[in-house]
This record gives sequence, structure tokens and C-alpha cells, in this order.
Amino acid sequence: GAGVSQSPSNKVTEKGKDVELRCDPISGHTALYWYRQSLGQGLEFLIYFQGNSAPDKSGLPSDRFSAERTGGSVSTLTIQRTQQEDSAVYLCASSPLWGNYGYTFGSGTRLTVV
Amino acid sequence: TQLLEQSPQFLSIQEGENLTVYCNSSSVFSSLQWYRQEPGEGPVLLVTVVTGGEVKKLKRLTFQFGDARKDSSLHITAAQPGDTGLYLCAGVNTGGFKTIFGAGTRLFVKA
Repeated sequence: GAGVSQSPSNKVTEKGKDVELRCDPISGHTALYWYRQSLGQGLEFLIYFQGNSAPDKSGLPSDRFSAERTGGSVSTLTIQRTQQEDSAVYLCASSPLWGNYGYTFGSGTRLTVV
Repeated sequence: TQLLEQSPQFLSIQEGENLTVYCNSSSVFSSLQWYRQEPGEGPVLLVTVVTGGEVKKLKRLTFQFGDARKDSSLHITAAQPGDTGLYLCAGVNTGGFKTIFGAGTRLFVKA
């Protein structure tokens, strides 16, 4: 596609429920990143996928968070047993090879846990 | 742990004024990027600087990468209301695989 597409754009969920956030990167971009942005804050790295290599999961805050990338394209970030502190905007970005080229970000998914 | 500190955190100025935003770290980066983010949108890449001492100009915006590749600045000349937004600097580690973002500078330009 022309840009990075994320869905849903907004998600309200009850505490304890599981949520799935989806990211469609730019076609041909081998690198895909997930970041989290709390209100008025900078971006917190969550996970990074590069081609067929094992993902860098070092930023995932707990074992309730997981992500996968199927076929080197679409990625899904799953949060199990959501907590109120999980409320944030989840941003996905892709780049042609690695970060030195700069990222193209999606518009994000605003997650609210009530 | 690599950290990027941005200053100031918040800046409110009148249209036509000049401003400089700073991004500092004790770590060396292979490149440094600046992004601008508007409410409800993802950050948009403005520039990437790679070489120590490099200066890049984008219309009224001037970006500089420090000689030691640890810091950077963004200077805006004659700010306009359309420049309003959150400016983020981002440092790419020497492996090129992970990017660290600063907390951002929120700029508000009053007409």
C-alpha cells in the first residue's frame, strides 16, 4: 500500500480482556517496528522484526505482550489480560531495510482500557 | 542504556520568532533523525543526518549533527503556526537495528 495502515484506529476494552492490534507495512519494507506512546510522551520501543530473522523482543514490558509477523508482511500485536496502564497509542512503523533510512509510521491505534 | 534528552520540553512562541531545539546523549549514534508529529497522527520523518558535523537545511528548518555524533539541534527560522507540533529526535544505534526516541519538544506557534 501507499502507507503504513493500522487497525483499529481506536479500541476501548474492559480490563482483563485480550486485544489484537494490526499493522500493514509498506509493501517491500523488510523492517517493522512497534512503539508505544503514552499521553504527551515520547516513543517506547516494543519489538522489531527484520526479514526472516528472530524478532528483537527486548522492549516488550511483560509476558502479556506478544507480536507476530506473518509472511514478512502483516504484523499483529496482542495484549492479553489488559490492564489500565496499557492504555496508550500503539504505533507501527516500517522501513526498507533498517532504521538508518528512517521510518514511515502509521497513524496508530489508541487503546483505552476501562 | 541509551538515552536521548530533548530540550526544551515545551515552547510557546509568536509567529516570526526563531527557535532552537536540542537533542543530547552520552551515546554515539550511527545516524540521527528528526520527526514531527501532529495530534492523532504518527510521526513524520523530516530529516536524517549521518555524518558528524553535518548540516542539512529544509526550507526554514536547519538540522545539525554534532561532531561526535552524540547530539543534534533543530533550528527554525521565522516560525509559522503551521510549525506547531511535537518534534521528536531519534538516534539509531551503531548496529542500525534499534532507534531510541527522545521524549519530544512540544512547539506552539501563536499567530
